[in-house]
Amino acid sequence: NAGVTQTPKFQVLKTGQSMTLQCAQDMNHNSMYWYRQDPGMGLRLIYYSASEGTTDKGEVPNGYNVSRLNKREFSLRLESAAPSQTSVYFCASRVNARTDTQYFGPGTRLTVL
Amino acid sequence: LAKTTQPISMDSYEGQEVNITCSHNNIATNDYITWYQQFPSQGPRFIIQGYKTKVTNEVASLFIPADRKSSTLSLPRVSLSDTAVYYCLVGPSNDYKLSFGAGTTVTVRA
Repeated sequence: NAGVTQTPKFQVLKTGQSMTLQCAQDMNHNSMYWYRQDPGMGLRLIYYSASEGTTDKGEVPNGYNVSRLNKREFSLRLESAAPSQTSVYFCASRVNARTDTQYFGPGTRLTVL
Repeated sequence: LAKTTQPISMDSYEGQEVNITCSHNNIATNDYITWYQQFPSQGPRFIIQGYKTKVTNEVASLFIPADRKSSTLSLPRVSLSDTAVYYCLVGPSNDYKLSFGAGTTVTVRA
């Protein structure tokens, strides 16, 4: 049982490049989340998926798109990366909204030059 | 979502008890209080959750007064490995959007 996995662990992009961050969970959770964490800051919610087939915006969705590919996988796409998107990205999942216990992945450290 | 206020940082020494208070004056009737812990270069992990009075598990205790406008996370006999950022979250158990503030950085010294 791997929990929540994220790929890649590190990535360096040039301004304007695109990429997709992958997230998968093997806990049969319904809800999945993408957060970003800037140095010395708390986590800010980018997008979430309450259940398979649904996605909704969080606090800071601009510049991102998401896809809930199936119940296990939730990807985050940067279409045209900007230096302001340099951050650590965390994926999380939880059973459903009836519990606050979120399980987090190890994070992806993204640098945009 | 209820707004939370917690100290930016706290210092302690090994073996001491650490108490972190979170203020949430506009907490709603159906809101729960949840604490997460985050070590450097890792994602947050759940510590404890409560609604009222006191909750205790193998990691920490959570004290919630009757008016629920604040809560205190208590870490007994801390060790160097308890150095981390601690987040207080307040929201209804059926809310998909949970907000993490800046948290409290706890530094435990030898």
